[in-house]
Amino acid sequence: SAVISQKPSRDICQRGTSLTIQCQVDSQVTMMFWYRQQPGQSLTLIATANQGSEATYESGFVIDKFPISRPNLTFSTLTVSNMSPEDSSIYLCSVETGPGELFFGEGSRLTVL
Amino acid sequence: AQSVTQLGSHVSVSEGALVLLRCNYSSSVPPYLFWYVQYPNQGLQLLLKYTSAATLVKGINGFEAEFKKSETSFHLTKPSAHMSDAAEYFCAVSEGGGFKTIFGAGTRLFVKA
Repeated sequence: SAVISQKPSRDICQRGTSLTIQCQVDSQVTMMFWYRQQPGQSLTLIATANQGSEATYESGFVIDKFPISRPNLTFSTLTVSNMSPEDSSIYLCSVETGPGELFFGEGSRLTVL
Repeated sequence: AQSVTQLGSHVSVSEGALVLLRCNYSSSVPPYLFWYVQYPNQGLQLLLKYTSAATLVKGINGFEAEFKKSETSFHLTKPSAHMSDAAEYFCAVSEGGGFKTIFGAGTRLFVKA
C-alpha cells in the first residue's frame, strides 16, 4: 500500500492566520483528495487535486479559503486561510488505491484559538 | 446521488459479545462499499470492501460484512468483541474509480470488560 506523510501532524494557530498542510505520497498518483473531519464528525470532501489542473472543490468549499496546489504526481498542499475557530478540524490527505478505495495519511490536527 | 446512513452513533458491547454495526446506502449504480476504522488520534484504515464479487466480505481483525442489495445494507459484524476493537467505524460508498467517496456519520464502538 501507499505511504502518505502529512505535515504538520498538529498545530495550534491564531485566528486570522493561514496554515499550509503538506501531503507527500511515496508513489505517483493521478488524484489526491483532501477531507475535513470536524470534532466528533464524519469526513467531508473538500476538494480533489489533479496534477496540472485546478482542484475541483465540493459544495461549500471555495478556493479563496482552501487553496490547493498540486505541483507533481506525488505532492500536494492545502492551505487553510484566514482561520477562525470553526476551522479547528483534522485535515486528511488521501489517495485512491482501488475503485473508490482510499488510503489516508495520519491527518493534520488543527486548533484555532 | 449517493448517501450512507449509519444507524446508531454509539454502540456498546461486552468483551466477547457479537459486534453489529449497521450501514444502509443509497446509490443509483452498483456501489462500491467500504468500512473504515479510526483509532484515537489516528487516520482512517480500511477494514474491508465490497466490489461486486462475493457478497460476504471478510476483512482484517476478524470483521466481516454482508452486502444485501434487497435491503441496501452493508452491516459490519464480528463474532467476538475485543477491547482493542474500541474505535470509530465509518461506512462509505463510491461509484468507483475517479468518483468521490461518501462517508457515513460514523459509529463509535465501546467495548466493556
